[in-house]
Amino acid sequence: EPEVTQTPSHQVTQMGQEVILRCVPISNHLYFYWYRQILGQKVEFLVSFYNNEISEKSEIFDDQFSVERPDGSNFTLKIRSTKLEDSAMYFCASSEQYNSPLHFGNGTRLTVT
Amino acid sequence: TQLLEQSPQFLSIQEGENLTVYCNSSSVFSSLQWYRQEPGEGPVLLVTVVTGGEVKKLKRLTFQFGDARKDSSLHITAAQPGDTGLYLCAGAYGNNRLAFGKGNQVVVIP
Repeated sequence: EPEVTQTPSHQVTQMGQEVILRCVPISNHLYFYWYRQILGQKVEFLVSFYNNEISEKSEIFDDQFSVERPDGSNFTLKIRSTKLEDSAMYFCASSEQYNSPLHFGNGTRLTVT
Repeated sequence: TQLLEQSPQFLSIQEGENLTVYCNSSSVFSSLQWYRQEPGEGPVLLVTVVTGGEVKKLKRLTFQFGDARKDSSLHITAAQPGDTGLYLCAGAYGNNRLAFGKGNQVVVIP
């Protein structure tokens, strides 16, 4: 069964550094998302992306965050200057159509020291 | 802010017993999805319910969407140790944005 893949599985970075988290959504899916889960807390929406632009973003997704679909297969999340509180699991997801169920990757664990 | 409350947060039962867990909200959702999440992994979709009152079955798991599309339940019949896991409900709103609950941690003891 097709799946969403994310790399790396674990990223350790120092505060203030830039990180790029990478995702390959399911190939025929048109809608892409980033969610995050701080340890012990709920999965939280960050951003949705369709037709090469952001559809919706949460209050968490401030100007330190950006997303890009640099080619036909990858979808990336960039954090420009990481903070300690950015430490979390970051999940990429994709869906075939608007209002179709989301399929999640296994996440990237980001640790900011 | 769309809030989903899942109860009970933790449930431990013996193999073969039945259980029901709940997902409640004061908000109306266009659909509601149930996921299962294993430690260190992403949520895996189990089912989507869309219509108020809808009931879906997945083997021994029965999912129901409330008539008002604000709440849902998951019933497991004759639970097996393989059913152990964290069950997440997520309501869809806006541009297919999901609001997640904190989950129902189910432990089935052999």
